[in-house]
Amino acid sequence: DGGITQSPKYLFRKEGQNVTLSCEQNLNHDAMYWYRQDPGQGLRLIYYSQIVNDFQKGDIAEGYSVSREKKESFPLTVTSAQKNPTAFYLCASSMTGEFNQPQHFGDGTRLSIL
Amino acid sequence: AQSVSQHNHHVILSEAASLELGCNYSYGGTVNLFWYVQYPGQHLQLLLKYFSGDPLVKGIKGFEAEFIKSKFSFNLRKPSVQWSDTAEYFCAVNNNAGNMLTFGGGTRLMVKP
Repeated sequence: DGGITQSPKYLFRKEGQNVTLSCEQNLNHDAMYWYRQDPGQGLRLIYYSQIVNDFQKGDIAEGYSVSREKKESFPLTVTSAQKNPTAFYLCASSMTGEFNQPQHFGDGTRLSIL
Repeated sequence: AQSVSQHNHHVILSEAASLELGCNYSYGGTVNLFWYVQYPGQHLQLLLKYFSGDPLVKGIKGFEAEFIKSKFSFNLRKPSVQWSDTAEYFCAVNNNAGNMLTFGGGTRLMVKP
């Protein structure tokens, strides 16, 4: 079955550590996205990539970094500069970056600070 | 910047009751509107979408939404809810400038059997 795989499902981080969240898709989609979900705030866009080797900042990119070296993969690194990283992180993809393409979501990674 | 408001954060209904979840957005230009649903333990999935044409949009599982441009609204409705509709519902908007979605804060619906 085609879909988006996020790993790990749960992740714990010590203060001052960088962590990387994995997102892989086998849908052959060009565009990929990372969102952060906090209770009562919906989803907020962190970074997005419309094509391999290109990505743009979303609304809350500070303290995060991404790469898009392969079409299938869009890992998100939560750096020590992110002051409040505890959240639920969702990865999504769409066939293209055009506005009329619905986004498909992964199951998410819940990140907690120890 | 555009924003999306969902005024009902938690809704509790009995089975067979009618449902209406509010969604208002702030952007004044042409918009595309979506409702996503997240069932317990499942990933977020598309419920319905509006791009153009008939402002009354039919989605999966008996849901519909009406786009009222003058009110900047895209409310979700279902005439008779079922226990299996228990989920969190998110309204989302993009402004035709790319596929960056702005999400509302979500509404948790609990349907009592």
